[in-house]
Amino acid sequence: DIQMTQSPSTLSASVGDRVTITCRASQSISSWLAWYQQKPGKAPKLLIYKASSLESGVPSRFSGSGSGTEFTLTISSLQPDDFATYYCQQYNSYSFTFGPGTKVDIK
Amino acid sequence: EVQLVESGGVVVQPGGSLRLSCAASGFTFDDYAMHWVRQAPGKGLEWVSLISWDGGSTYYADSVKGRFTISRDNSKNSLYLQMNSLRAEDTALYYCAKGHGSGSYSADYWGQGTLVTVSS
Repeated sequence: DIQMTQSPSTLSASVGDRVTITCRASQSISSWLAWYQQKPGKAPKLLIYKASSLESGVPSRFSGSGSGTEFTLTISSLQPDDFATYYCQQYNSYSFTFGPGTKVDIK
Repeated sequence: EVQLVESGGVVVQPGGSLRLSCAASGFTFDDYAMHWVRQAPGKGLEWVSLISWDGGSTYYADSVKGRFTISRDNSKNSLYLQMNSLRAEDTALYYCAKGHGSGSYSADYWGQGTLVTVSS
């Protein structure tokens, strides 16, 4: 099975900061990677699919990049609404593994 | 507007069975694959199962394989998860989620979840 890791596990940042989260796969997953945002008590929200495609309605300050085994989610200028936990998910193989999550909190 | 509404979550004893349902609306249900994803209290997301648009293909996480069965009734716009031989570690909020389509199996819409508690 493909394993997913994320770094850092927690990130403290301020409004306006540029934030980057890394996701790594244990083997190549081409570009079959998604990023989700989850706030406490809420369902996850899709941000990015196919590694770099922005989901409809998601602000353009979110971007994704990477292929193969290493991927990044970047928030160009952190907004108050962006404090949340972010998960990557691979869907290259039919196991659809999630990463452990990265919590972005207020510095 | 896409809506996914899960139901069926209850407190059940270890070894017991449960059937979760997800009622879908606001999209052409039989055009899309559907997922079940769970989240144990205070923990991360765990993918559970996927079913193809026509129900012809199903996939499971190793942790539930042989115990859980995903199914769908396209005439009723409904998704199901039959859960047998339940264990304490199956305690979680269970979400149904719509597959994105266009060759992508990311999940673009999610329900609010239904809570399953396995406890004696």
